[in-house]
Amino acid sequence: QKEVEQDPGPLSVPEGAIVSLNCTYSNSAFQYFMWYRQYSRKGPELLMYTYSSGNKEDGRFTAQVDKSSKYISLFIRDSQPSDSATYLCATISQGNLIFGKGTKLSVKP
Amino acid sequence: KAGVTQTPRYLIKTRGQQVTLSCSPISGHRSVSWYQQTPGQGLQFLFEYFSETQRNKGNFPGRFSGRQFSNSRSEMNVSTLELGDSALYLCASSNRPPLAGGFGTGELFFGEGSRLTVL
Repeated sequence: QKEVEQDPGPLSVPEGAIVSLNCTYSNSAFQYFMWYRQYSRKGPELLMYTYSSGNKEDGRFTAQVDKSSKYISLFIRDSQPSDSATYLCATISQGNLIFGKGTKLSVKP
Repeated sequence: KAGVTQTPRYLIKTRGQQVTLSCSPISGHRSVSWYQQTPGQGLQFLFEYFSETQRNKGNFPGRFSGRQFSNSRSEMNVSTLELGDSALYLCASSNRPPLAGGFGTGELFFGEGSRLTVL
């Protein structure tokens, strides 16, 4: 079992929709969880970072960690075409940053 | 403030050759890590350097190596290239030193990558 699993999509939504992106992880000891956004032909950029469980909100983005089910989510409200990108979840395992394979999101005008 | 700079951006090599990729971190950042990104495996950690010392290494064969210079610039080298080495190689820098045993808190700043094609 991979340490972080993520549905690769692709996911296509209309502008203004609420988007839910999800990952599961294997080890209950993981504490740090990150979401990165990667535009085509660019490197990933850190969107949000949470420690342990709970929610964290930043503008239209909300990151949620459910440690009981080992599930992490990123919600995007009022999605915009500029949100079209690949979203990667990540955590730290044995000192290494471990990424999901990414979900490709397309927001249609 | 300039971002992370990687060179070259694109390169084509043949099997058996070797390649060296370069990374200049954000000014003041002393931690540099390298990742390989492929459609099949996603982003995979190669190694991390801090203050010219390799602090952590991923699960890649010895053909993959790296180093860091006193100005924090880093290079990675892949010898005896194989077709499966075709990938986007990403460098990331951080201003946080690695935690004991490696990494940090995930606040990495990535470059745009070097896309390697092995024929």
